[in-house]
Amino acid sequence: DVKVTQSSRYLVKRTGEKVFLECVQDMDHENMFWYRQDPGLGLRLIYFSYDVKMKEKGDIPEGYSVSREKKERFSLILESASTNQTSMYLCASSSPGLNTGELFFGEGSRLTVL
Amino acid sequence: QKEVEQDPGPLSVPEGAIVSLNCTYSNSAFQYFMWYRQYSRKGPELLMYTYSSGNKEDGRFTAQVDKSSKYISLFIRDSQPSDSATYLCAMNTGNNRLAFGKGNQVVVIP
Repeated sequence: DVKVTQSSRYLVKRTGEKVFLECVQDMDHENMFWYRQDPGLGLRLIYFSYDVKMKEKGDIPEGYSVSREKKERFSLILESASTNQTSMYLCASSSPGLNTGELFFGEGSRLTVL
Repeated sequence: QKEVEQDPGPLSVPEGAIVSLNCTYSNSAFQYFMWYRQYSRKGPELLMYTYSSGNKEDGRFTAQVDKSSKYISLFIRDSQPSDSATYLCAMNTGNNRLAFGKGNQVVVIP
């Protein structure tokens, strides 16, 4: 059974803290993505990566960075968390070369910043 | 103009009714169109994808694409309480970088 695992389902952090959200996939996918999902705004792409050590900015990268040191792992980093980063964060992976748009999502990490 | 527009209003229907959802998009270059389903407290999962214009049917689900109008639709026939979820349209902007609509929360009432 294919799987994208987000290690933390629920996190509560304080303003200014550094936050790491980890994502691991077991499908040997080259492509990995980080989205945030907010009510009324849908899914918005933060960063993505098509290969190890490669990263590209998505639509809303401000305040975030990413790390991809291994193919199976893609980490999202909030250098100094702010209250407007309270959100559901979703990681996804896909196989390159297929244009069917099939992304495999994790179950999400709900982050609250106080 | 946003790439994908989906009126995010919730939708409640009685069991057995037809559910109709739709999205519009702005980029005529889009070729692959997807519908994702997201259950509460879960990640989205691909429900159906369609290439170019036309219809695609999968059981009780039908996806339609009208490229001339830049309009896509999802129909759910004989809706069941298990269909209660949020439905998101999406378009592939290239290499599986997707542009998503805002989603419609559908509630099917037994």
